Amino acid sequence: EIVLTQSPDTLSLSLGERATLSCRASQSLSSNYLAWFQQKPGQAPRLLIYGVSTRATGIPDRFSGSGSGADFTLAINRLEPGDFAVYYCQQYGSSWTFGQGTKVEIK
Amino acid sequence: EVQLVQSGAEVKKPGESLRISCKSSGYRFSTRWINWVRQMPGRGLEWMGRIDPSDSYTKFSPSLEGHVTISADSSTGTVYLQWSSLEASDTAMYYCASLYCTNGICFDYWGQGTLVTVSS
Repeated sequence: EIVLTQSPDTLSLSLGERATLSCRASQSLSSNYLAWFQQKPGQAPRLLIYGVSTRATGIPDRFSGSGSGADFTLAINRLEPGDFAVYYCQQYGSSWTFGQGTKVEIK
Repeated sequence: EVQLVQSGAEVKKPGESLRISCKSSGYRFSTRWINWVRQMPGRGLEWMGRIDPSDSYTKFSPSLEGHVTISADSSTGTVYLQWSSLEASDTAMYYCASLYCTNGICFDYWGQGTLVTVSS
């Protein structure tokens, strides 16, 4: 079973700053089936990135995903008020695994 | 428009049984796997398992296998998550979800969530 570990647990940043979130897998994801979700309080998660680096429909280009093997990154440029949320990485395929989440909060 | 609509909130006692539902519409039911995701209060997302409605094949998280069952009714386009004996630790929000990828493009669909409270 693949385990995903995200860091940091919490990221405190100001509006306009850049956020960099990390996701490390316990083994290499050879299929590149790595996604990122955003979840706001009281809402279902929303897909941001799939296939490591492809933005989902309607996601602004301030969001970008990168990485390979077992190390992946979500970057959010020029933080806006709506970006403050919890972010989860996920590996998908025949089964899913989520990381524990990174909370991006306003400093 | 693809929609996943879940059944309403439930309050149960430990030891009771429960079945919650996720009704799909807007696409051919057999073509998309449906997953169940648990979110305990104040905690992160946890994948529970999924079903392939075309043949009802299921796969579960090792930590949850045997505690829940997942089934599908193709006549109504509904997927179910069922417990035979609830525990207090089953208190959580439960989401059904699908991640559908075609021609290199992926789309996610989520139900609105079903809150299950288990308390004596």
